[in-house]
Amino acid sequence: GAVVSQHPSRVICKSGTSVKIECRSLDFQATTMFWYRQFPKKSLMLMATSNEGSKATYEQGVEKDKFLINHASLTLSTLTVTSAHPEDSSFYICSASPDRNNYGYTFGSGTRLTVV
Amino acid sequence: RKEVEQDPGPFNVPEGATVAFNCTYSNSASQSFFWYRQDCRKEPKLLMSVYSSGNEDGRFTAQLNRASQYISLLIRDSKLSDSATYLCVVMDSNYQLIWGAGTKLIIKP
Repeated sequence: GAVVSQHPSRVICKSGTSVKIECRSLDFQATTMFWYRQFPKKSLMLMATSNEGSKATYEQGVEKDKFLINHASLTLSTLTVTSAHPEDSSFYICSASPDRNNYGYTFGSGTRLTVV
Repeated sequence: RKEVEQDPGPFNVPEGATVAFNCTYSNSASQSFFWYRQDCRKEPKLLMSVYSSGNEDGRFTAQLNRASQYISLLIRDSKLSDSATYLCVVMDSNYQLIWGAGTKLIIKP
């Protein structure tokens, strides 16, 4: 089945530093990947849609200069949280699907970011 | 009004009981519907897609009512391992997933 690998699973960083999160599709090519964040006891919130070879599409209210997305290949998308602040602490999850007609989106295992 | 609404629960249910969740959605143009399961501090995992004719997978039955714009999930003979948060998800015409906030289920021995 479709497997999405996300790394790291946990990261603690200091305020002001940047953190990169990787999302890889292991057994399929993903022209589109999605980045979500989830606060405790809340639903997933779509941050942006990552498109291979082009700019990401950000949801309203998400700062594109703060959350840099790069989708340089068909199997890798990265999310970089720049100049992290404590309020950026959250659970970040990526997802992808082998094709649009495959409705079973597969999620990475998530990255728990804590900014201190 | 939220696009996808669910009762947050928690639902405290004895082992072996039957439990049902409902979810309503606001966009009548929504085209696909899913139930995901999320364990604490884990990623969501697809439980089942929801089809207009209704579908069943073992102890789980999903129903879709397009006229009333709601989706249901029925779990029969509940197990302790069913304890999780169940997320209702709707795909819009742009293939974007719209997530409910989830319903927490606690199965008690």
